[in-house]
Amino acid sequence: QVQLVQSGAEVKKPGASVKVSCKASGYTFTSYGISWVRQAPGQGLEWMGWISAYNGNTNYAQKLQGRVTMTTDTSTSTAYMELRSLRSDDTAVYYCARVKELGDWFDPWGQGTLVTVSS
Amino acid sequence: QSVLTQPPSASGTPGQRVTISCSGSSSNIGSNYVYWYQQLPGTAPKLLIYRNNQRPSGVPDRFSGSKSGTSASLAISGLRSEDEADYYCAAWDDSLSGSVVFGGGTKLTVL
Repeated sequence: QVQLVQSGAEVKKPGASVKVSCKASGYTFTSYGISWVRQAPGQGLEWMGWISAYNGNTNYAQKLQGRVTMTTDTSTSTAYMELRSLRSDDTAVYYCARVKELGDWFDPWGQGTLVTVSS
Repeated sequence: QSVLTQPPSASGTPGQRVTISCSGSSSNIGSNYVYWYQQLPGTAPKLLIYRNNQRPSGVPDRFSGSKSGTSASLAISGLRSEDEADYYCAAWDDSLSGSVVFGGGTKLTVL
């Protein structure tokens, strides 16, 4: 079955960087893209951006431009999201989700990765 | 402040029909598909409705979606206790360089 498995929880200090992985299985990785969505504690969902696993094209949320980088490794069917210059308000659960094309629906979602930013 | 507007809460008794609204603008709902996601407590979101009114396989036909102009709604009929969850609408927004926008979420309580 189609599955996305994310890396484990992280604790980072303000100013540091974090890189979250998302390993895909059960489908042809390069036929889809991956979107990243985050959810701060007790809050709603926030779209962070999208990457095509076919050609590496990206589209980032304007709010995160310059701090976020999304990449893929097609040899391992794994997507990565790196967020730099972390602040306390970056504390959130980060989700990856499969998406056919930019603007399409997210299905399925990874289990989520909690990133805590604290001094 | 979410781009799409949802009521923060909704409730109903078992067997009832409830609807959750999602209001947007011409740059998002007015010109693009609407999607709905269900998030059970402590879990990742799950796709409920795609392309305004399509149900993925495995989603009960108790769930239905509709769209009119710049608004959309999710209806749940025959409410069950396991439907208690947060529900989010989403759509592509054409403004600026484009982005996916979400509603703030609606917490559904089954009384």
